[in-house]
Amino acid sequence: AQSVTQLDSQVPVFEEAPVELRCNYSSSVSVYLFWYVQYPNQGLQLLLKYLSGSTLVKGINGFEAEFNKSQTSFHLRKPSVHISDTAEYFCAVLPRSNTGKLIFGQGTTLQVKP
Amino acid sequence: GAVVSQHPSWVICKSGTSVKIECRSLDFQATTMFWYRQFPKQSLMLMATSNEGSKATYEQGVEKDKFLINHASLTLSTLTVTSAHPEDSSFYICSAPGQGRTEAFFGQGTRLTVV
Repeated sequence: AQSVTQLDSQVPVFEEAPVELRCNYSSSVSVYLFWYVQYPNQGLQLLLKYLSGSTLVKGINGFEAEFNKSQTSFHLRKPSVHISDTAEYFCAVLPRSNTGKLIFGQGTTLQVKP
Repeated sequence: GAVVSQHPSWVICKSGTSVKIECRSLDFQATTMFWYRQFPKQSLMLMATSNEGSKATYEQGVEKDKFLINHASLTLSTLTVTSAHPEDSSFYICSAPGQGRTEAFFGQGTRLTVV
């Protein structure tokens, strides 16, 4: 079985400050890792994903994440946030067993303040 | 990337009526689609896996007679909320796996309000 824990339910930050959203996972099988963003009343948009290779993954909108196998973490970072980054962020894992079924964390609300 | 279209984006219905939500893969075929439910300020909960040409697989605790799923073609899955009640009000989102199943593409979601 798999589980995903997002350690912070809300992260307030001032505009242009750096931010890190934390994600830890547990799985008995190998997984792919994802970060999605959700704006109010909208579906999910993929920010970035880790499938294999380099553990530092760059995504859209200036976000990046680093896969740490020993710590089973996949934290999301951005060096300088904008007001428009205010949204809900979800970390998710996808078992490599080819089912296509994502398991989500609880979500982190990023609140960017002027 | 691939596009998944979900319709309607919002719907208001009376208690006791049924509501159908459509999920279409526009530029790729999807033998499997997933239906999620999301309560306010919460994560996505997988409700069921929709399988083209066969019965859907429901997650534990999800009433299959309440949430009817039909995957009639390789590009269309529908979720029908039958005899809706106010507690069924929620945000419903569908997704379809991409080629190789290393990614999921999501619909825009449907906000259902039962009054």
